[in-house]
Amino acid sequence: AAGVIQSPRHLIKEKRETATLKCYPIPRHDTVYWYQQGPGQDPQFLISFYEKMQSDKGSIPDRFSAQQFSDYHSELNMSSLELGDSALYFCASSATGVASEQYFGPGTRLTVT
Amino acid sequence: GESVGLHLPTLSVQEGDNSIINCAYSNSASDYFIWYKQESGKGPQFIIDIRSNMDKRQGQRVTVLLNKTVKHLSLQIAATQPGDSAVYFCAETGPGGTSYGKLTFGQGTILTVHP
Repeated sequence: AAGVIQSPRHLIKEKRETATLKCYPIPRHDTVYWYQQGPGQDPQFLISFYEKMQSDKGSIPDRFSAQQFSDYHSELNMSSLELGDSALYFCASSATGVASEQYFGPGTRLTVT
Repeated sequence: GESVGLHLPTLSVQEGDNSIINCAYSNSASDYFIWYKQESGKGPQFIIDIRSNMDKRQGQRVTVLLNKTVKHLSLQIAATQPGDSAVYFCAETGPGGTSYGKLTFGQGTILTVHP
């Protein structure tokens, strides 16, 4: 079965650079969620989109922005990167009305040096 | 919930034993409670969810119990196998509306199954 696709899988950036993470949800899933997971930590909700509109916002820094496109894929844009942004970034998707069943992608490991 | 960083609770069992993983949640307004399994280097994998108006739900080899009185959630894994070794997270949905899909994860538990 098709799963959530994330790219790139690994990304190394320097401080103050920008990064763009991409997420392709499971076909026919219209809701996308972004989470950040630090080492040994639980995933922290960043932001979500439903039908290309932002549906909720969590602990996402102002330096980050995201959007969902007409084909339902989503991009997380991160600017002025800081060392503390180093983490695993997961995208998840769900079908309409089934937000309790979120399917996660493999994640993008971002390292900021 | 908040994790304690690298010092996650651990559970070690022998292959074939039953495992019980516990979680305390904080938000009484959550509509669903969910269990995820996360293997090293992979994204969380949905296991099972339970609606807040239920107290028990069974899946394949797994049972989730919800005790709203003490805000406690547990995951029981029957006949645990080495492939079940992973970090297990409980999560709760948001209070509803547009926040419904905002999952709040609890502290993970490291399950190690010995052959």
